[in-house]
Amino acid sequence: AQTVTQSQPEMSVQEAETVTLSCTYDTSESNYYLFWYKQPPSRQMILVIRQEAYKQQNATENRFSVNFQKAAKSFSLKISDSQLGDTAMYFCAFTDSGGSNYKLTFGKGTLLTVNP
Amino acid sequence: KAGVTQTPRYLIKTRGQQVTLSCSPISGHRSVSWYQQTPGQGLQFLFEYFSETQRNKGNFPGRFSGRQFSNSRSEMNVSTLELGDSALYLCASSPATRGAATNEKLFFGSGTQLSVL
Repeated sequence: AQTVTQSQPEMSVQEAETVTLSCTYDTSESNYYLFWYKQPPSRQMILVIRQEAYKQQNATENRFSVNFQKAAKSFSLKISDSQLGDTAMYFCAFTDSGGSNYKLTFGKGTLLTVNP
Repeated sequence: KAGVTQTPRYLIKTRGQQVTLSCSPISGHRSVSWYQQTPGQGLQFLFEYFSETQRNKGNFPGRFSGRQFSNSRSEMNVSTLELGDSALYLCASSPATRGAATNEKLFFGSGTQLSVL
């Protein structure tokens, strides 16, 4: 069974600074997808960034980028120029490409607080 | 385009009762999936429906069931509620234009917060 581990229950960062959230996963699959989702107080889960395991290049979306280390099964999220609106729970998630993309396995989450 | 709509936002029930939660996907989306979120267990996959058929099911007891209608709207039902069923229930929809194995985005609703007393 696949597992996703987020070892940092809480983190804080000053506005405009950079923060990195950690995620490790365990799978025997060779191809899969990894995601970071954000859940603000509104409770709606919002996709931040997505990485396909067969792609060597790390995904980037504006201020958000990942460091994907396939051999180490590590998938960290870097947030640059942190903004107050980035305050939220962040979840790392996994799905294998052999099944449905709709069955995600989530980590327990990291609560990120951006301080003014 | 309206987002994923879940009703009601909050619900309070007592043990032994049953409950039905509703999810209206984004117009044109054919896949609806459900997740349970609790502080202890985190987010767990319940099931996924496509064209009125359940395609995937998570590891939950038979008290948890769902269905999807021809307009893609979905309902999930929990019978004989237990205290441990207290959770945020999230619904997500996806276009599912390429069949079962895709990397399409999931669009989530804001959830229904169920409290069982």
